[in-house]
Amino acid sequence: GAVVSQHPSRVICKSGTSVKIECRSLDFQATTMFWYRQFPKKSLMLMATSNEGSKATYEQGVEKDKFLINHASLTLSTLTVTSAHPEDSSFYICSAPNRGLLYGYTFGSGTRLTVV
Amino acid sequence: AQSVTQLDSQVPVFEEAPVELRCNYSSSVSVYLFWYVQYPNQGLQLLLKYLSGSTLVESINGFEAEFNKSQTSFHLRKPSVHISDTAEYFCAATPGNTPLVFGKGTRLSVIA
Repeated sequence: GAVVSQHPSRVICKSGTSVKIECRSLDFQATTMFWYRQFPKKSLMLMATSNEGSKATYEQGVEKDKFLINHASLTLSTLTVTSAHPEDSSFYICSAPNRGLLYGYTFGSGTRLTVV
Repeated sequence: AQSVTQLDSQVPVFEEAPVELRCNYSSSVSVYLFWYVQYPNQGLQLLLKYLSGSTLVESINGFEAEFNKSQTSFHLRKPSVHISDTAEYFCAATPGNTPLVFGKGTRLSVIA
């Protein structure tokens, strides 16, 4: 089945540094990638939608200069958390539609970011 | 705009007992409905989906959900749960051309 490989699974960084999270579609082309953030015991909040070859679309309230999204190819999308702060600590998950709705949306395994 | 409501944040149930996780949606257009399961510190796995056709859909591990248009519901059921079913369950919807909208999730805890 379709797989979205997300790395790293866990990262701890110092305040003020930047962290890059990668999501790769392994056996299908992901022209679109959705990035979600999940707070503890909470649901998934859509942060942005990235499309290959164009600028990402950010949801209201999400700082695009802080959460840089790049969709450089049909199989790779990255989220960079810049100048990280402790309040950015969260679980980040990417998701790509696979062959439309027939196979649903394939999710990465998530990245647990802890900013200290 | 559409929304998905999961009324129960936590559902404890004894092993081998039946369970129902409730999901209601609101939308001005037709929607496609999904149930996802999330184990600790992992991504989401598709459990089952309703796109069209039969209103009763089943998963390979014994879960089923029924699309009820009149009640705008898509409740998830299992006749007999196992310890391994302990997880967070998310109901989600999309009209087909936008990202999934998720409910807040229901924590299913199976008690031995």
